[in-house]
Amino acid sequence: GAGVSQSPRYKVTKRGQDVALRCDPISGHVSLYWYRQALGQGPEFLTYFNYEAQQDKSGLPNDRFSAERPEGSISTLTIQRTEQRDSAMYRCASSLLGGPEETQYFGPGTRLLVL
Amino acid sequence: GQNIDQPTEMTATEGAIVQINCTYQTSGFNGLFWYQQHAGEAPTFLSYNVLDGLEEKGRFSSFLSRSKGYSYLLLKELQMKDSASYLCAHTGGFKTIFGAGTRLFVKA
Repeated sequence: GAGVSQSPRYKVTKRGQDVALRCDPISGHVSLYWYRQALGQGPEFLTYFNYEAQQDKSGLPNDRFSAERPEGSISTLTIQRTEQRDSAMYRCASSLLGGPEETQYFGPGTRLLVL
Repeated sequence: GQNIDQPTEMTATEGAIVQINCTYQTSGFNGLFWYQQHAGEAPTFLSYNVLDGLEEKGRFSSFLSRSKGYSYLLLKELQMKDSASYLCAHTGGFKTIFGAGTRLFVKA
């Protein structure tokens, strides 16, 4: 079946612009995670959804970052007033259930470049 | 705090065995994951340990000692395709905290 998909795959934007990154989890997966991954580093946790409820957003760097999952399926990560330091790979992952022991299935990521 | 330490890089020979160590410190712990990530690709699941001891799965095995905050991933009969980054990650609550990864280079 289809895996996790993300769009766009690449995004180049100018400093100060807003961007919206989309994640389509595996159908039926309850949990959805957003991560940011710098080159040569592991994924850095940003936020977690269980169905439509955002249950942990402690990893969001500041209030320019927000995420939603209004119908418990597709999720959008929005970065307002982008800065050069926001340039990174943004990955989402989904898991079937909500437990910490669940395998996470990662999407291909959106590579964001802020000029 | 939540810290994970693993070697930055390792090199091994095709057909050999390699052990990638991971130590962690965390105030809340559920279990320990290992993920594999090939260059330019997404991480993929390898193993999950919640109890102390060794879990074997084909050529890959993973070990956990909760009291020592220590885990290792053992790769046997190395193949060239095993060249990748190996990410150690612990879970606590809703969060999964990843280490920086160990880049493994397998040479002929």
